[in-house]
Parts: sequence; structure tokens; C-alpha cells
Amino acid sequence: NAGVTQTPKFQVLKTGQSMTLQCAQDMNHNSMYWYRQDPGMGLRLIYYSASEGTTDKGEVPNGYNVSRLNKREFSLRLESAAPSQTSVYFCASSLGDRDYEQYFGPGTRLTVT
Amino acid sequence: GQQLNQSPQSMFIQEGEDVSMNCTSSSIFNTWLWYKQEPGEGPVLLIALYKAGELTSNGRLTAQFGITRKDSFLNISASIPSDVGIYFCAGPPSGTYKYIFGTGTRLKVLA
Repeated sequence: NAGVTQTPKFQVLKTGQSMTLQCAQDMNHNSMYWYRQDPGMGLRLIYYSASEGTTDKGEVPNGYNVSRLNKREFSLRLESAAPSQTSVYFCASSLGDRDYEQYFGPGTRLTVT
Repeated sequence: GQQLNQSPQSMFIQEGEDVSMNCTSSSIFNTWLWYKQEPGEGPVLLIALYKAGELTSNGRLTAQFGITRKDSFLNISASIPSDVGIYFCAGPPSGTYKYIFGTGTRLKVLA
């Protein structure tokens, strides 16, 4: 039982490049989330998926898109990376969107030069 | 946007000491959660609180849901070196189910 897994662990992009961050959970959770964490700050919600087939914007959605591929997988895409998107990205899941106990992956450290 | 303010921002304590930290908001919360994040890792859930006034323990950790519903407190008793990390409060403000996270309290334990 791996919990929440994220790939890649590290990534360096040039400004304007695109990439997709992958997240999968094996806990049969319905809801999944993407956060970013900047140095010295808490986590901020980018997008979330309350259930398979639905997605919604969080606090900082600009510059990102998401896909809930199936119940297990939730990907985050940067279409044209900018230096302001340099951050650590965390994926999380919970049983449901009214179940506030979230379980986090290990993070993807992204640098945009 | 809404904010959760945590204090202190950082603490250096001796092993064996007790630790207290708190989290305050201008909004009412129906649920408070406390997470710990170690370097290079994602946050790990420590304690969840669901009712005003609730006091819940998890080993040496005790958390309380403030009666005003605008604050929460976390205490760690008899700290040990592995308590090092950043402690975050989090939760959905009343009327929404979108999480917000506090600014974090960074704890360092001196052996």
C-alpha cells in the first residue's frame, strides 16, 4: 500500500516549456488535490477534484490545468512554465471532499529557469 | 484571501521541554487539522478536531479546538529530537470545504 505517489521527484524546466506532474493514490479515495508550497509558506490549493469526473479551481489556479484521469490518478499540467511557478508541488487525497483528513504525497520539486 | 496565522513562527527548545503553539483565524472553522512536515517530505496528519472545545491527544501531542472556533492549539510534551519539523494547522473555513493552511511553526529540538 503505497499511499499517494508523485512523479517526478525533481524537475528543471526552461521558461515556456510544458510538463505534466503525475499523482496516483491506492487508498480508493474519491477526492484529490494539488497544492504548491513556496519557501517559508504554507500550502496553497491549486486545483482539486471532489470525485472522478469533476475538477474545480482552488486559490491559485492561474497557469495550471488538471485532469482527473480515473479514480486513482490526478495530473497537473503547466502549459508554459514561468519562473513564478518554481515551487514544491504536493498531491493529496481524501476519502471525500467533506472528509477533511488529507494524505499527502512526497512532493515534486520544480525549478523554472 | 483568508489566512491562518500561526505563532510562534519558529522555536528552539531543549529536549524534554514541553512545546505550545497556536493557530488563529479571522473566520470561523468547523474543523481543525494539525500536520507535521519533515524536510523533503509531504505533510503528515497528526490530529483532527471536529467540535468547539474538543481536546484530542495522539501520544505526546494534544490539540484543542478553541471555543470561539477561530483558533486551535497544539501542545507537545517532553519533546524529543524526532519532533523536529514544521507544524501546520489547516482546515476549511465555515461555509466552504476548500482547505487553507497556516503559515507554519518551525520546531528545532536541541539534544
